[in-house]
Amino acid sequence: DAGITQSPRHKVTETGTPVTLRCHQTENHRYMYWYRQDPGHGLRLIHYSYGVKDTDKGEVSDGYSVSRSKTEDFLLTLESATSSQTSVYFCAISPGDNEQFFGPGTRLTVL
Amino acid sequence: AQTVTQSQPEMSVQEAETVTLSCTYDTSESDYYLFWYKQPPSRQMILVIRQEAYKQQNATENRFSVNFQKAAKSFSLKISDSQLGDAAMYFCAYKENTGTASKLTFGTGTRLQVTL
Repeated sequence: DAGITQSPRHKVTETGTPVTLRCHQTENHRYMYWYRQDPGHGLRLIHYSYGVKDTDKGEVSDGYSVSRSKTEDFLLTLESATSSQTSVYFCAISPGDNEQFFGPGTRLTVL
Repeated sequence: AQTVTQSQPEMSVQEAETVTLSCTYDTSESDYYLFWYKQPPSRQMILVIRQEAYKQQNATENRFSVNFQKAAKSFSLKISDSQLGDAAMYFCAYKENTGTASKLTFGTGTRLQVTL
């Protein structure tokens, strides 16, 4: 298994509070991604990174920001959580322009 | 924009039998990758098999094989000798070959049940 961990694994928070999810890899892969998984939608890309301090938006980036200050860590921040951001969040890593390997996921509930 | 369609929300197969999961996609690109991912109840996304669009030969990984029809934009997954551990959600995914980071576009998934 690819060395990817996500923290926390579960979180319940209230509307309007900031939330940060962490993705940590031990593979030294260049590319990292954040997806969300909702019923009926499969997984959708939120943001991705192609190197330290290099990030770009995905298809559902509104309300989210990311940061990558080290190769191994990719943070996803919800500045002010809303109920529509209740979801399962997956981090993925990729050594190149091919398959992506996923972390275990974080279940976030916004009340 | 690329789209991936899995038209079978649920499938069922008996243990030791063979089942085929369907996937179609829409793209104007000629160079891309296709994948099947498995998601068991543990929620972990597990890569099952990959196919490069420029390769005519269908990919095979043990009991898993694909039928890749580029002209028809079809990418089905065949599971042979089905086992109870194969029960999961299966997602078909598409990725452009851009030479850099780019997203996976997923279908909505097919839930596979394996019965005794």
